[in-house]
Amino acid sequence: QKEVEQNSGPLSVPEGAIASLNCTYSDRGSQSFFWYRQYSGKSPELIMSIYSNGDKEDGRFTAQLNKASQYVSLLIRDSQPSDSATYLCATEEGANNLFFGTGTRLTVIP
Amino acid sequence: GAVVSQHPSWVICKSGTSVKIECRSLDFQATTMFWYRQFPKQSLMLMATSNEGSKATYEQGVEKDKFLINHASLTLSTLTVTSAHPEDSSFYICSARGLTPQRGSSYNEQFFGPGTRLTVL
Repeated sequence: QKEVEQNSGPLSVPEGAIASLNCTYSDRGSQSFFWYRQYSGKSPELIMSIYSNGDKEDGRFTAQLNKASQYVSLLIRDSQPSDSATYLCATEEGANNLFFGTGTRLTVIP
Repeated sequence: GAVVSQHPSWVICKSGTSVKIECRSLDFQATTMFWYRQFPKQSLMLMATSNEGSKATYEQGVEKDKFLINHASLTLSTLTVTSAHPEDSSFYICSARGLTPQRGSSYNEQFFGPGTRLTVL
């Protein structure tokens, strides 16, 4: 049974701080990893994808992957109130569908 | 990013009626489409996976005769909730995967539609 685990939160950070979101996965065969952002009542929006060990940066977002530890994280620098949402971690192996974590709710306090 | 649309965005129907939801990939060809359901304060639950021109693969516990999926073209998939009941009220979201040249042909990324909120009275 594949599992993707996230701390459900809520995670609260002050505006301008770095928000750190963590995710672990059980299937060592997982090759692709994704972070989605979901605002309340809306569908998920892809933020980052990462396939190789190390860091991948895109604007204020940095995804970090450590396959040996089966760990993937998302850092949000200079957090803004508009970043307040639920962040979903997902993995995919080969041609299979996405396996989602239950999400971490982030609140950025002005 | 790639654009996926859904129609309708919300629907209210009487118990026993059928509801059809359309999912379209607007700027890329979706070789695979996925249908999810999300209840309040819960995570996404995959219902089925459909590939263009073939029968959908349903997840365990999802009734294929109740949730009819048709993926007739590379840009359109439909989900029909037949004989809907109040317990079928949920947020239904489709996603699509395919070659998206504007993002460097990253095949593994899935893009979600805006969702359809179904309320069955």
